[in-house]
Amino acid sequence: QQPVQSPQAVILREGEDAVINCSSSKALYSVHWYRQKHGEAPVFLMILLKGGEQKGHDKISASFNEKKQQSSLYLTASQLSYSGTYFCGTDSAGAGSYQLTFGKGTKLSVIP
Amino acid sequence: NAGVTQTPKFQVLKTGQSMTLQCAQDMNHEYMSWYRQDPGMGLRLIHYSVGAGITDQGEVPNGYNVSRSTTEDFPLRLLSAAPSQTSVYFCASSYSGGIETQYFGPGTRLLVL
Repeated sequence: QQPVQSPQAVILREGEDAVINCSSSKALYSVHWYRQKHGEAPVFLMILLKGGEQKGHDKISASFNEKKQQSSLYLTASQLSYSGTYFCGTDSAGAGSYQLTFGKGTKLSVIP
Repeated sequence: NAGVTQTPKFQVLKTGQSMTLQCAQDMNHEYMSWYRQDPGMGLRLIHYSVGAGITDQGEVPNGYNVSRSTTEDFPLRLLSAAPSQTSVYFCASSYSGGIETQYFGPGTRLLVL
């Protein structure tokens, strides 16, 4: 089942902060975050694993609440380059799983 | 490294025609996958492969076939194109799937008339 992302869209001024949420009805093993700019391919940002391990970006942080099956992506001091659509992908099967289920995305627009 | 490459970039088909979308990677990744992206729907998994000779269905496999004869290549075949298959198709690869980073190709935009 597709994870639910919120908000669907957000507009920020440069320097402002944003939080993007991703929630699932299933127990999660890992959550993956990607950013996609218009007309381009998705680009990896971060993986959060059950148990707290993170792999990824040094300017963007995220959290993973295993009990609530939720993840949040924190964008601080936003830059124009942060604009794009952010997708979370969830994995419910754990080690040996090869299927990510992506949310519908959150469109982030950063304006000067 | 070229990374993940896809051809063609854009294709127009008539209903009922067949075609193959090509995907190749030069990173020696075992895991490869195909997604389709429709407006407001996010990315949906069509088929995936965990290694040469091994493929499996994803969330939306109907109307598509895949094969994996080499580690590098993972073509997607549309058997009889339908307007509902109008979409942007992305191929992705990763070292082993699961908790690894996926690298996406540039995409193929397909229009079925």
